[in-house]
Amino acid sequence: GAVVSQHPSRVICKSGTSVKIECRSLDFQATTMFWYRQFPKQSLMLMATSNEGSKATYEQGVEKDKFLINHASLTLSTLTVTSAHPEDSSFYICSASPLAGVRETQYFGPGTRLLVL
Amino acid sequence: AQRVTQPEKLLSVFKGAPVELKCNYSYSGSPELFWYVQYSRQRLQLLLRHISRESIKGFTADLNKGETSFHLKKPFAQEEDSAMYYCALSGRGQGAQKLVFGQGTRLTINP
Repeated sequence: GAVVSQHPSRVICKSGTSVKIECRSLDFQATTMFWYRQFPKQSLMLMATSNEGSKATYEQGVEKDKFLINHASLTLSTLTVTSAHPEDSSFYICSASPLAGVRETQYFGPGTRLLVL
Repeated sequence: AQRVTQPEKLLSVFKGAPVELKCNYSYSGSPELFWYVQYSRQRLQLLLRHISRESIKGFTADLNKGETSFHLKKPFAQEEDSAMYYCALSGRGQGAQKLVFGQGTRLTINP
């Protein structure tokens, strides 16, 4: 149980285009999902906290107009990288906290590798 | 400021030897501390949390508030323990809290 999926697992796009990444909780409902970014050989850095039905809370230094987050249902959050540039190339990971059970626990997705050419 | 420090990027021990992965934190309050593990080609998963006070896969971690540490220990390392280990903290509260991760320690168990 408690599986989180991400789609796509890997994406290559041209500079200036937008890319959407989906995060789904497959067998549980999640009021809160988190989006992280991980550069090579570095740790996970929280980008934003996504709450179902409300605006996301962004961490300091993260451009909310650049990284659009939508959490329209209890099982789906999306991250859209708008007008992507090569410096946005990274590994994006989402996590979800269950509505029921141990809410402090986060279950992580497998990540999405974005390469912007 | 919330911060998690894992001083060792790499740690290599022989099979059967004790292993300790260090983690220190700074937090102005009562944090919750976690250890997450990422095996090769797998996603990040929770190993243990201090509030549970349990041993998972032979690993234990004790929260030392005086030293602000949460070191991960295992008395006898096994080859399958080779992985990336992240220490993380969150604030206490109702519901989901954001996590702050350390830089991670890559543990290699040599046969």
